[in-house]
Amino acid sequence: GNSVTQMEGPVTLSEEAFLTINCTYTATGYPSLFWYVQYPGEGLQLLLKATKADDKGSNKGFEATYRKETTSFHLEKGSVQVSDSAVYFCAPLGRSNDMRFGAGTRLTVKP
Amino acid sequence: NAGVTQTPKFQVLKTGQSMTLQCAQDMNHEYMSWYRQDPGMGLRLIHYSVGAGITDQGEVPNGYNVSRSTTEDFPLRLLSAAPSQTSVYFCASSHRELAYEQYFGPGTRLTVT
Repeated sequence: GNSVTQMEGPVTLSEEAFLTINCTYTATGYPSLFWYVQYPGEGLQLLLKATKADDKGSNKGFEATYRKETTSFHLEKGSVQVSDSAVYFCAPLGRSNDMRFGAGTRLTVKP
Repeated sequence: NAGVTQTPKFQVLKTGQSMTLQCAQDMNHEYMSWYRQDPGMGLRLIHYSVGAGITDQGEVPNGYNVSRSTTEDFPLRLLSAAPSQTSVYFCASSHRELAYEQYFGPGTRLTVT
């Protein structure tokens, strides 16, 4: 089945710093790819997605590009804010339309 | 729409007790799933359903049962609770027209003593 490897955290940045969280996946074919975010005490929310190769997903200043050559879907943001502090999860869609999540990367942004 | 709702929010069980975690969605999503979240391990899929009357096992199904008698509801049953089942449980639903983007409930925090 599909699987994902995420950059280990925790990641600590200062406000307005550039963020990259690496995500690589193994899959049969070219599955849809997702980034989810989990704020403290809450469930997961979709952050962005890409459904085919070379697509770029974007939302709230975050971006990720579906790179089939490198099987990657790295998350980036040009200038992080304190409110971006959360845990971020990368997930490919499985062949049964299930999702297999990575361990998550905890981001802390300091003022 | 209420989205995905889960009850209870918190539960404490003794080893050997059984209980059912409830999950409901009002978005007419055909796909529903249960995950558990443990520190440092992300989310792991327990069971999922692609429609009423159809269920299948995920990565960690042992000790859990599910059924899907209606599109809206997908309860998760713990048959005989064990301390290893202490976790936060999330229910999610999705639809093919949304590229199976998952909508998550708020979670149930379960402690087994």
